[in-house]
Amino acid sequence: KAGVTQTPRYLIKTRGQQVTLSCSPISGHRSVSWYQQTPGQGLQFLFEYFSETQRNKGNFPGRFSGRQFSNSRSEMNVSTLELGDSALYLCASSRTGQGSYEQYFGPGTRLTVT
Amino acid sequence: AQKVTQAQTEISVVEKEDVTLDCVYETRDTTYYLFWYKQPPSGELVFLIRRNSFDEQNEISGRYSWNFQKSTSSFNFTITASQVVDSAVYFCALRNSGAGSYQLTFGKGTKLSVIP
Repeated sequence: KAGVTQTPRYLIKTRGQQVTLSCSPISGHRSVSWYQQTPGQGLQFLFEYFSETQRNKGNFPGRFSGRQFSNSRSEMNVSTLELGDSALYLCASSRTGQGSYEQYFGPGTRLTVT
Repeated sequence: AQKVTQAQTEISVVEKEDVTLDCVYETRDTTYYLFWYKQPPSGELVFLIRRNSFDEQNEISGRYSWNFQKSTSSFNFTITASQVVDSAVYFCALRNSGAGSYQLTFGKGTKLSVIP
């Protein structure tokens, strides 16, 4: 079974631009979450999608948004990029249903804002 | 609000030594889930173990073992006979059971260096 895939793997953008990151979950996984990882703040939750609906959102400004498609693939968008948005963005997918399931992470997209 | 504390920022051990990574958590929920993830230099977070709050049975898997103690809110991870390939950053994470969300709260991570 293929793992979580994220594209692109690396990205360099200029301050003020916008960026879209893509995530394809493991087949059959309907929950997709996004996390931002920086040396200073560590791993922080951005948002989670399930059945094309945002189920939960972390404490990030409105410049960060996302969506999920009917095939469970997800995208996140960051508008008006700031230098502080430079980070590793990780996508994770999970099975859903009764009980709790672990999240499986993709390799991440490393975004550099100059 | 929930919180995960990994007090050890960095640990260095010589190959074949045992090492324990500490994790202390805070939550008001009575039902919750704890996880350990490994992040090698490549960057991808690798799932290691999940433990439910109502299951305090400790677990051993090969060279890995986990000690979950609700009384002290701790979920420690031990690597026996460490190997160079164990060098990575290890994260402890917490998920509450409410609201159907799968949001994880992570600790800051412990960087483990195994020296040959």
